[in-house]
Amino acid sequence: SQQGEEDPQALSIQEGENATMNCSYKTSINNLQWYRQNSGRGLVHLILIRSNEREKHSGRLRVTLDTSKKSSSLLITASRAADTASYFCAPLSSNYKLTFGKGTLLTVNP
Amino acid sequence: GAGVSQSPRYKVAKRGQDVALRCDPISGHVSLFWYQQALGQGPEFLTYFQNEAQLDKSGLPSDRFFAERPEGSVSTLKIQRTQQEDSAVYLCASRSRGSGSYEQYFGPGTRLTVT
Repeated sequence: SQQGEEDPQALSIQEGENATMNCSYKTSINNLQWYRQNSGRGLVHLILIRSNEREKHSGRLRVTLDTSKKSSSLLITASRAADTASYFCAPLSSNYKLTFGKGTLLTVNP
Repeated sequence: GAGVSQSPRYKVAKRGQDVALRCDPISGHVSLFWYQQALGQGPEFLTYFQNEAQLDKSGLPSDRFFAERPEGSVSTLKIQRTQQEDSAVYLCASRSRGSGSYEQYFGPGTRLTVT
């Protein structure tokens, strides 16, 4: 299936440290999106990277995409307690269907 | 502006009861999606509407699940004869039509518990 699979399943870091999460998928994609979910704000879109892009930045977020390896990574720099959440990658192969993995649960300790 | 809203936020149903979950998408958004999220899992696609047309219902788990969007705005997900395995959070998302607009905006979800 096209479902993204995130790794690690859980990550615990101290405030100020960087957090890196990885995603693998199986078939060709149109783009790949990262979402964050926490109890306060629900599921929120973070960043989208297109299949012809290799790296993208947005604030403290940096996403990379390697289509030859069918993998992506999300880096959060200078993490904050408020970054505590589950992070999902969602590959998009058609023009509408997102397929989510189980996510990475990130805990940022103050 | 207002985001995607869903109601009710919580629903407890006895096994065998029918339930109806409502989604109000962002005004003007053409595309609407329903997802089911079990505890500890990521959201799973259920169905997709473009305006009032249901273009993909491949993710609906059984014929007890039915979704509609008769006027191309508000959508209702109906589950008949609920079973315990239907317990999950049901998420609705909408998306605009703009070129290259792939970002989906999610509502807060309806947490369904079947007892």
